[in-house]
Amino acid sequence: SQQGEEDPQALSIQEGENATMNCSYKTSINNLQWYRQNSGRGLVHLILIRSNEREKHSGRLRVTLDTSKKSSSLLITASRAADTASYFCATDIGGSNYKLTFGKGTLLTVNP
Amino acid sequence: NAGVTQTPKFQVLKTGQSMTLQCAQDMNHNSMYWYRQDPGMGLRLIYYSASEGTTDKGEVPNGYNVSRLNKREFSLRLESAAPSQTSVYFCASSGVAGLGEQYFGPGTRLTVT
Repeated sequence: SQQGEEDPQALSIQEGENATMNCSYKTSINNLQWYRQNSGRGLVHLILIRSNEREKHSGRLRVTLDTSKKSSSLLITASRAADTASYFCATDIGGSNYKLTFGKGTLLTVNP
Repeated sequence: NAGVTQTPKFQVLKTGQSMTLQCAQDMNHNSMYWYRQDPGMGLRLIYYSASEGTTDKGEVPNGYNVSRLNKREFSLRLESAAPSQTSVYFCASSGVAGLGEQYFGPGTRLTVT
């Protein structure tokens, strides 16, 4: 069963706009991660936020985590056409095997 | 460093044929994983290996077997391929040094007719 669920399933914006994607999950987590997948390629790790963190930044990415609501959001500021990709959240419930459970993803299209 | 490599990139099988997907990583990671990705389903874990010498089932293990050949290599075998196994297969690895982020290979696109 899916632990994380992204919302929306698809998002289309203009270059320069901000894009926000949300992820909800069901059980307590050790950390939550966001990945990007360009069409036909493997996933690339973007950012990890631990359960005791509320916000994290990396370049144009901002991730928030609300453990009371079991939700996270990924904000991409000043989007570019090259940001067009699918974005997945993945939850780590802890343990030494670093097993992740992925959501179904949000397809972001940035129009030039 | 090549990171995570997978072979082959593409494969077409007939129902009932067998094949092995190969995965290797050069990052000295302990943990390795096999996922399948189907349209609208996200990634689903097939098998994983927390460390050399151990393997465990994931969410969708039926019809697959794995071998952790050594610390670098983790193979996925389809003994008798079925059309339902048509998918894109990704291998990933994760190391002790990180906090659990996974590094993915480029994928194998498998079609079973």
